[in-house]
Amino acid sequence: KQEVTQIPAALSVPEGENLVLNCSFTDSAIYNLQWFRQDPGKGLTSLLLIQSSQREQTSGRLNASLDKSSGRSTLYIAASQPGDSATYLCAPGGGADGLTFGKGTHLIIQP
Amino acid sequence: NAGVMQNPRHLVRRRGQEARLRCSPMKGHSHVYWYRQLPEEGLKFMVYLQKENIIDESGMPKERFSAEFPKEGPSILRIQQVVRGDSAAYFCASSDGGGQPQHFGDGTRLSIL
Repeated sequence: KQEVTQIPAALSVPEGENLVLNCSFTDSAIYNLQWFRQDPGKGLTSLLLIQSSQREQTSGRLNASLDKSSGRSTLYIAASQPGDSATYLCAPGGGADGLTFGKGTHLIIQP
Repeated sequence: NAGVMQNPRHLVRRRGQEARLRCSPMKGHSHVYWYRQLPEEGLKFMVYLQKENIIDESGMPKERFSAEFPKEGPSILRIQQVVRGDSAAYFCASSDGGGQPQHFGDGTRLSIL
């Protein structure tokens, strides 16, 4: 059974800082891994999808890496902005089934 | 630009009533997933459906919960004889294939009185 751990659980930093969110998972037999953000009272917005054969994906100020063999992924956010404040969720996928989520990192960017 | 549409956004039921949650996937998507987010907990997978078929229901409670995705119309998550512990946010996601990115709706927040 896949288990996902996200560290830190919460993070508060001043605007402009670069930061790293960590995700670890127990079953390395994954098909892909998605990073999402969730705003209060809202659904999930997909940020990045990394296929199991890839090492990283980039979108704007976001960069996600995947080390499948060690069961780790990181989300790097460059030059953070107050609008980045949200809960960030990591979800490894086994292929033709549902995603397994961690409890997320609650991020606050101070203006 | 229709994403995943869920309705209602908020649903209030009394204990013992039935709750019906609806999900219309993104245009062109034939794979639907339901997740539940309990207060202070992470999202948990419930069920994965394709048109007219349940592919994986390993996360569904054994009693009172059922899901369908008919040939025509939205996917329905049905909870019979609701109890207080069913209070949660229920999210639907869709994709255009297994292993493809899942796109989420804004959820239905179910409150049980």
